[in-house]
Amino acid sequence: AQKITQTQPGMFVQEKEAVTLDCTYDTSDPSYGLFWYKQPSSGEMIFLIYQGSYDQQNATEGRYSLNFQKARKSANLVISASQLGDSAMYFCAMREGLTGGGNKLTFGTGTQLKVEL
Amino acid sequence: EAGVTQFPSHSVIEKGQTVTLRCDPISGHDNLYWYRRVMGKEIKFLLHFVKESKQDESGMPNNRFLAERTGGTYSTLKVQPAELEDSGVYFCASSQVLGTIKTQYFGPGTRLLVL
Repeated sequence: AQKITQTQPGMFVQEKEAVTLDCTYDTSDPSYGLFWYKQPSSGEMIFLIYQGSYDQQNATEGRYSLNFQKARKSANLVISASQLGDSAMYFCAMREGLTGGGNKLTFGTGTQLKVEL
Repeated sequence: EAGVTQFPSHSVIEKGQTVTLRCDPISGHDNLYWYRRVMGKEIKFLLHFVKESKQDESGMPNNRFLAERTGGTYSTLKVQPAELEDSGVYFCASSQVLGTIKTQYFGPGTRLLVL
C-alpha cells in the first residue's frame, strides 16, 4: 500500500493567490514526521516545512503552512500569496519513528505546481 | 555553509559500463542517505550511513550497487555493470545526529542515463 499519496499530478494557480497541495499518509507508527520539499527545474530538493506527529499546532514557515489533520492522516501544504518562483515540483514525505534508526524518508509521487500571471 | 554536493551532475553511459557517483554531505552531518528517482516514479530510499557504517541498506535494488563511505565523510555509489533500468536521478542527503527532527538536506542529484 502507498504510504504517501499525492493525488494531484499537476496544479495551476494565479499569482498572489493561495494554493493547497494535498498529501495523505498511511502509517501504524504513532511517532512520525512529515516533510514537504520543493524541487525547481534546476533539480535541487529544497526543504520547506516539517510537522511532527505529536505537534499540537500546525507548522508554519513564512508563506508555507502545513494543514495537519491527524485523524484523516492528511498533511496538506498551503502556499499563500503564490509567486512565479513557486513553480516547481512539490514532494510530500514521511519518516516513521522520530528517533533511532527509522530515518529514511518515504516520498509521494509529487505535484507539479505552475504559477501563472 | 556549503550544502550537500554531488558529482557528476550528469552521466551518460552504455549498458554494461561502470559508473561511480560521489556525494559530499554537509560538514558535521553523520547521517548520509542515498535515494533515487526513476523516471515518472516516486523518490525511493536506497541506503543510510551513520558515519562509515551502513545503518539501513534495505532499499538497495541488487548487488550491482555498492555504496561506501570510508572515513565517514564523503560517500560513493558504484553501479557495476549498469543496466537500462538504472537510469534516473540519484540524490544524496545528509542530516545531523542530534535532535529529533533530523531534517534531511538534499544535494542537487546526479542524472544517470544508461543507453
